[in-house]
Amino acid sequence: EDKVVQSPLSLVVHEGDTVTLNCSYEVTNFRSLLWYKQEKKAPTFLFMLTSSGIEKKSGRLSSILDKKELFSILNITATQTGDSAVYLCAVTNYQLIWGAGTKLIIKP
Amino acid sequence: GAGVSQSPSNKVTEKGKDVELRCDPISGHTALYWYRQSLGQGLEFLIYFQGNSAPDKSGLPSDRFSAERTGGSVSTLTIQRTQQEDSAVYLCASRLPGPQGGQPQHFGDGTRLSIL
Repeated sequence: EDKVVQSPLSLVVHEGDTVTLNCSYEVTNFRSLLWYKQEKKAPTFLFMLTSSGIEKKSGRLSSILDKKELFSILNITATQTGDSAVYLCAVTNYQLIWGAGTKLIIKP
Repeated sequence: GAGVSQSPSNKVTEKGKDVELRCDPISGHTALYWYRQSLGQGLEFLIYFQGNSAPDKSGLPSDRFSAERTGGSVSTLTIQRTQQEDSAVYLCASRLPGPQGGQPQHFGDGTRLSIL
């Protein structure tokens, strides 16, 4: 059965810390891996990764995919309280398979 | 509009009533998805539309749930004879044409459904 597992389930850090969120998968016919940020309402798209080893970067956020070891990481540097959210990982084959998310809390 | 629009944003209804939720996708997005998210849980896939047809209805939890899409645009999700376990946030997402995995999905703000 296809599955996506995110870790940790929750994480509390202080402002300014760097965090690494993990997403591992076992999915047949992999096409892409996506990261989303969900605050109070809709998940907002962060990154889509299709190739191994190519880092995608947006400001303080970056992500990379390892298709051999079947995982991706999402890094956030110099965290701010506005980074507090649930971070969702999803993998596509012919459908989208979602992880349960990592709840990140940034304390001032 | 610029983004995916869902209405109503909140719906409170009595057990046993029917409800209809609406999703207006981003213009040009031929693929449309419905998800359900219970409090503190991940996203539960319900149904996927490509144009007006639904090639994947596998996530609909029971025959009380149905969805349609007309004109390749607006979609409605209908829940008949609502039960308390139907209480959740119902999210709609759309994406540009192409195979799964080629384009990211963009989400609406959801409809928070509460069944009394």
